[in-house]
Amino acid sequence: AQSVAQPEDQVNVAEGNPLTVKCTYSVSGNPYLFWYVQYPNRGLQFLLKYITGDNLVKGSYGFEAEFNKSQTSFHLKKPSALVSDSALYFCAVRDGRTGTASKLTFGTGTRLQVTL
Amino acid sequence: NAGVTQTPKFQVLKTGQSMTLQCAQDMNHNSMYWYRQDPGMGLRLIYYSASEGTTDKGEVPNGYNVSRLNKREFSLRLESAAPSQTSVYFCASSLAYEQYFGPGTRLTVT
Repeated sequence: AQSVAQPEDQVNVAEGNPLTVKCTYSVSGNPYLFWYVQYPNRGLQFLLKYITGDNLVKGSYGFEAEFNKSQTSFHLKKPSALVSDSALYFCAVRDGRTGTASKLTFGTGTRLQVTL
Repeated sequence: NAGVTQTPKFQVLKTGQSMTLQCAQDMNHNSMYWYRQDPGMGLRLIYYSASEGTTDKGEVPNGYNVSRLNKREFSLRLESAAPSQTSVYFCASSLAYEQYFGPGTRLTVT
């Protein structure tokens, strides 16, 4: 069975400071990893993914994430936070074996609050 | 290109009533999914359809049925609604890796 842990319910950061939202995972085989963002009363929007290749992946809105196989982590980062980044962030994982539908398992979400 | 659309946006049901949530995508994606989102629990997969003509159970299928009507449409039916089914329901679709989500249906069962 695959699982995702987001250990922080909420992360608070001042605008202009770097931010990190943590994610660890468990999955059989090679992981496919994703980050999504959800703004109030909206659906989830795709931010970035790791499938294979470079451990540092870049995504939308200046976000990036680092895949660490030994620590089974996929932390989301941004060098300089904006107030508009305040939202709910979800990490998700799927089994990388081919032939399966893209059944994602989501974490419980981390609320990011960026203040002036 | 509307992406993934869902109807209705809001619905209030009484216990025991039935309803169908509709989902359509115009991105020619093969796979479609239904999730429910509850506070503190993230998103949980109810049912999915890997391709037209196939459906499979997800993590929390009890109390729900689905129909993949064609490649574009994937509906979710509650035959006899229960208060435990009060939630926000999201439909999603995918072609390869990432999934694209609709705006959601907020369902309250009293």
